[in-house]
Amino acid sequence: DTGVSQDPRHKITKRGQNVTFRCDPISEHNRLYWYRQTLGQGPEFLTYFQNEAQLEKSRLLSDRFSAERPKGSFSTLEIQRTEQGDSAMYLCASSLEGQRNYGYTFGSGTRLTVV
Amino acid sequence: GNSVTQMEGPVTLSEEAFLTINCTYTATGYPSLFWYVQYPGEGLQLLLKATKADDKGSNKGFEATYRKETTSFHLEKGSVQVSDSAVYFCALSPYGNKLVFGAGTILRVKS
Repeated sequence: DTGVSQDPRHKITKRGQNVTFRCDPISEHNRLYWYRQTLGQGPEFLTYFQNEAQLEKSRLLSDRFSAERPKGSFSTLEIQRTEQGDSAMYLCASSLEGQRNYGYTFGSGTRLTVV
Repeated sequence: GNSVTQMEGPVTLSEEAFLTINCTYTATGYPSLFWYVQYPGEGLQLLLKATKADDKGSNKGFEATYRKETTSFHLEKGSVQVSDSAVYFCALSPYGNKLVFGAGTILRVKS
């Protein structure tokens, strides 16, 4: 198992464009999380899935953000009409339900820069 | 609500010095507590964890004890190395469905 994979590693986009990120979790993990991390801050929770169901969304997740996990495996996070304030590192993590005490495995993140 | 407060950095130490990074939390119920480390250009890595009061998590010479009475989970290491330079995040998981992070503490170790 290669851990949690995120693609792309870096994305530069112009303001107003749409972007989509992908996350491939550890294969046996049924929970998948998205976090956003800005410079000098800790990661902030955005949303999480258990299998294909999106169980919680943060108020940080505005209407321009949408996340999917169609078959309970990989997930995508789309940002529409990007704004400069969306510039951040987007982190994905996965875990196995019922084993929260084993921690969450994070990917290396996608760094988004909106110009 | 649930929150984590960490000491502000950066913390600058000489090699072989003793390290303490303070972490206190506010939580409903009985959360699990974690320390994560982030090296430059990399993702977060789990450093250690504790799941109940008085548990001690340890890994790679780092230790932290879950103190319910003081709502703290301070990170310690007896002798730091240059390779320990990184950002350290304290986090809690209140219900097992997400992590709540502190702002992070930058550690710089000089040789």
